[in-house]
Amino acid sequence: QVQLQESGPGLVKPSETLSLTCTVSGGSVSSDNYYSSWIRQPPGKGLEWIGYIYYSGSTNYNPSLKSRVTISIATSKNQFSLKLSSVTAADTAVYFCARGGRWYPFDYWGQGTLVTVSS
Amino acid sequence: QSALTQPASVSGSPGQSITISCTGTSSDVGGYNYVSWYQQHPGKAPKLMIFDVTKRPSGVSNRFSGSKSGNTASLTISGLQAEDEADYYCSSYTSSSTEVFGGGTKLTVL
Repeated sequence: QVQLQESGPGLVKPSETLSLTCTVSGGSVSSDNYYSSWIRQPPGKGLEWIGYIYYSGSTNYNPSLKSRVTISIATSKNQFSLKLSSVTAADTAVYFCARGGRWYPFDYWGQGTLVTVSS
Repeated sequence: QSALTQPASVSGSPGQSITISCTGTSSDVGGYNYVSWYQQHPGKAPKLMIFDVTKRPSGVSNRFSGSKSGNTASLTISGLQAEDEADYYCSSYTSSSTEVFGGGTKLTVL
């Protein structure tokens, strides 16, 4: 059974960089056709796809966030990470990591972690 | 990319059937058979219910079914049960190799 767990600061100051890591167990991020994604959900609102990474390092991002997002992968640690720069209050959300992306469904999700942007 | 369009809310009585629509464009829903549906209960992570328009993951009740016509995909839940009350989101692969979600639909079981 694949399990994902997000970790990182729950509070980030405006204009700083949000950094989160997703640790995967029960499966390998280096497997063929294993895409790893980040998805967020502002309080009381809908889901927004942020981007995905493949174990080769290939990435694709939501055009609305592309200029501020970097997703990286550490295959030796079975982890992938999210960096979102120049954050504002609008970036306050629950951030989920999930397996899936490109045309693969999001079939396994982390529990989500709330990140609040506030001074 | 614009979010897919879903009704804000739907409701039904136990035992009834309901359908939730998800409208996109020829660059996403209409162009590919890569539409998924997710169920989300309050405070929980979304759960995959339907993928590739019509396929059900192992363990998902056959009361859930998916379909697509043109640029609109649909999720049908038959034999409504109280536990089906949740938010439902569609998602689609796009021509830019990205993913886009719908705005979400709140299902109320009366």
